[in-house]
Amino acid sequence: AQSVTQLGSHVSVSEGALVLLRCNYSSSVPPYLFWYVQYPNQGLQLLLKYTSAATLVKGINGFEAEFKKSETSFHLTKPSAHMSDAAEYFCAVSVRGNEKLTFGTGTRLTIIP
Amino acid sequence: DTAVSQTPKYLVTQMGNDKSIKCEQNLGHDTMYWYKQDSKKFLKIMFSYNNKELIINETVPNRFSPKSPDKAHLNLHINSLELGDSAVYFCASSQGRTSAYEQYFGPGTRLTVT
Repeated sequence: AQSVTQLGSHVSVSEGALVLLRCNYSSSVPPYLFWYVQYPNQGLQLLLKYTSAATLVKGINGFEAEFKKSETSFHLTKPSAHMSDAAEYFCAVSVRGNEKLTFGTGTRLTIIP
Repeated sequence: DTAVSQTPKYLVTQMGNDKSIKCEQNLGHDTMYWYKQDSKKFLKIMFSYNNKELIINETVPNRFSPKSPDKAHLNLHINSLELGDSAVYFCASSQGRTSAYEQYFGPGTRLTVT
């Protein structure tokens, strides 16, 4: 069975600083990996996904993530944090061809003015 | 236009009652899902339908029964509500049945059981 672990349930960064949200996955076969964002009182929105093309994936709002098989990681980064980035971020994994997404426990990102 | 809509947005009810949550998508997608998000924000798949066929049925009490009258609608009926059912329930849809397709989420229904 596949799973993801998000290190750090809360991350705070200053406005303009680098954002780094960590995600490690466990899967016995090549996975699909996703980052979703949830703004307060809203549903989830896809930021980016890795489905076996380029290992560096660019998403919306300036976010990107790199698939590193050797480290079983898919960390999310953004060079310069903006106040509007404050939200809950979820990493998710699935097995190729499977219908089911398995989500991590989420990381709440706070931006300090 | 709202892509995935849910009604009601809030639902407060007493233990033992039966309630339904409705979901509609206007994206023309073939696959729809129900997720439960608990108080710690943990999100877990409950059910998925593809063209009105049940394709995912996780370990969910049989008090929960999904129904898909057509591929644009997926409703969730809950019998004999319990305190532990309190959560936010999200509906989602995607173009295809595999997880490679982006899932579009509705705004959620906050269910509070007292």
